[in-house]
Amino acid sequence: IQLTQSPSSLSASVGDRVTITCRASQGFSSYLAWYQQVPGKAPKVLIYAASILQSGVPSRFSGSGSGTDFTLTISSLQPEDFATYYCQQFYSYPYTFGQGTKLDIK
Amino acid sequence: QITLKESGPALVKPTQTLTLTCTFSGFSLTTSGVAVGWIRQPPGKALEWLALVYWDDEKRYNPSLQSRLTITKDTSKNQVVLTMTNMDPADTATYYCARRRYGDFPFDYWGQGSLITVSS
Repeated sequence: IQLTQSPSSLSASVGDRVTITCRASQGFSSYLAWYQQVPGKAPKVLIYAASILQSGVPSRFSGSGSGTDFTLTISSLQPEDFATYYCQQFYSYPYTFGQGTKLDIK
Repeated sequence: QITLKESGPALVKPTQTLTLTCTFSGFSLTTSGVAVGWIRQPPGKALEWLALVYWDDEKRYNPSLQSRLTITKDTSKNQVVLTMTNMDPADTATYYCARRRYGDFPFDYWGQGSLITVSS
C-alpha cells in the first residue's frame, strides 16, 4: 500500500491550525498511525488506529479518516510542533510510511 | 520503563554483511502479541520498514530487501538481531529498532537509532 502525504512541506505560525493528509493507494480502516520526528531523534507516535491519541500526547493533536483518506490536525501550533510528520499503515505487509511532511515556522 | 538500543558497526564496506543488535528492557518478547521491528532512514529521506519478529517467532520482511535480510530473536538476552548482506552505499542510513503489539498498535517505543555508513 503506497501512502502519499500532502503537502510535502508547510510553513505556519504559532497558533495556526494545520491539517496534513495521508492518502492510501488502497482502502483500509484504522490501521494507520502518525509520527512526529524532530531532527536527530527517533520518531514519536502521536496517533494510532487512525484517531486514538497516544498516551501523553497533547490534545491539540487529532486524527481522523478511513478508507483511503486520513488526516492529522494540530489545532493550535506550538513552537515544539515544528518537525516532520509521517503516516504509517499496518494493514498489510510490507508496512509503509508516507514520504513525510516538513512543518516549519513561517 | 521500556527502552531499546541499537548497536553495530558505524562503518561497513561495500559487499560486507551488516549485523545490528537491538537490546531491549521493560518488556518481554515471550509475551503474546509483542513484536520488535527494524526501520531505517537514509539521511534526509523518509522512513522505510525492514523486518519484524513476533513473540511466536513469526517473521516478516520487506519484499524489496527480503533476500538480503534475516531477523532473529534471543529471548534469554532480550535481543533482536538483524543481518543485512551485500551492503551498498545506498544502504547508508540510521537504523532504528522499535516495539509494537499485534493489531492496530503502532511502533510505540523506539531506540535512539544507529547511523550506519557504507563506504570503502
